[in-house]
Amino acid sequence: GQSLEQPSEVTAVEGAIVQINCTYQTSGFYGLSWYQQHDGGAPTFLSYNALDGLEETGRFSSFLSRSDSYGYLLLQELQMKDSASYFCAVKDAGNKLTFGGGTRVLVKP
Amino acid sequence: GAVVSQHPSWVICKSGTSVKIECRSLDFQATTMFWYRQFPKQSLMLMATSNEGSKATYEQGVEKDKFLINHASLTLSTLTVTSAHPEDSSFYICSALPSGEETQYFGPGTRLLVL
Repeated sequence: GQSLEQPSEVTAVEGAIVQINCTYQTSGFYGLSWYQQHDGGAPTFLSYNALDGLEETGRFSSFLSRSDSYGYLLLQELQMKDSASYFCAVKDAGNKLTFGGGTRVLVKP
Repeated sequence: GAVVSQHPSWVICKSGTSVKIECRSLDFQATTMFWYRQFPKQSLMLMATSNEGSKATYEQGVEKDKFLINHASLTLSTLTVTSAHPEDSSFYICSALPSGEETQYFGPGTRLLVL
């Protein structure tokens, strides 16, 4: 099976940088995805890493180290609208996603 | 592109009734769709994988006779919660995997409240 660990909550101010770490233990790993979910909404796709290294998409970047079973999501130039829950998810060979517990990010003025 | 819709967006029903939730991929074909359940302040838990033209694959602990899944076409999967009870109240979310791609796209979710 799969298990993922990520911090439960992070608080930061507007303009700051936040890094959300995700460690995983898996029986089959094809890649690590990140999703954002606002209260009451559905998850929206942010990024996907299948290979080691950094993927940058605007203010958000994601990193993966397969040898360390570790990844992170970096949120830069935080804005109030970034207040949400962020989930890492491991994808297996069957394209199934196993989600971490989620990290609630609270952005303060 | 890659838009997934769900209907209804919310439903309130009496205990013992059955509820059908539809998941549609609007601008792409999806051989595979997934159904998740999310309780308040918890993570998404995969319930089952729905494959067009074949039986769904259920995750451990999910009763296939209670949560009936039908994937009748490349753009539609349905989840029927049979004989719903208050403990089935949850946020049900589907996702669709465009054929040949690796990224799942999620629907807006359906809130179910069983009284």
